Amino acid sequence: EDKVVQSPLSLVVHEGDTVTLNCSYEVTNFRSLLWYKQEKKAPTFLFMLTSSGIEKKSGRLSSILDKKELFSILNITATQTGDSAVYLCAVRTDSWGKLQFGAGTQVVVTP
Amino acid sequence: GAGVSQSPSNKVTEKGKDVELRCDPISGHTALYWYRQSLGQGLEFLIYFQGNSAPDKSGLPSDRFSAERTGGSVSTLTIQRTQQEDSAVYLCASSLGQTWNTEAFFGQGTRLTVV
Repeated sequence: EDKVVQSPLSLVVHEGDTVTLNCSYEVTNFRSLLWYKQEKKAPTFLFMLTSSGIEKKSGRLSSILDKKELFSILNITATQTGDSAVYLCAVRTDSWGKLQFGAGTQVVVTP
Repeated sequence: GAGVSQSPSNKVTEKGKDVELRCDPISGHTALYWYRQSLGQGLEFLIYFQGNSAPDKSGLPSDRFSAERTGGSVSTLTIQRTQQEDSAVYLCASSLGQTWNTEAFFGQGTRLTVV
């Protein structure tokens, strides 16, 4: 059975801190890994990773994939209260694009 | 449209009633997904449409759930004889499809409450 596991489940940090979120996976057919940010209802797309060792970066957010060890990390530097959200990791497991999601990591950034 | 549109945004229904949830994907997107998110949980895959191919229904939790996609665009998810455990946010997403390296964009979801 395909599994996507995120850790930690939740964390609380102070503004300005750096957070590192983990996503590990065990799937029979890996195609790509995607990160989403969910603040209210709709997850918003952050990154898609397909190749190992190539960092994707957008402002204070960055992510990297390790296909040998089967995990990805999402880093947020100089956190702001607006970064408070649930961060979801999803793995694409077939050619058609079906996404398997992890349970998410809830991040709370306090002023 | 500019984004994935779902309606209604909220729905309260009595146990035993049928409900229909609508999703209007981004124009030109051939792939359409339905997910369900119960309170505090991750996203649970329900069903996936890709163009004119037979849908992947492997995530539908029971035969009370069905979905259709007319004309390769708008999709309707129908839940018959609703139960309290069906209460969740139902999210629809679309992508360009037919390739694994495109991102999926989500709608705002429909919050279903069965009382």
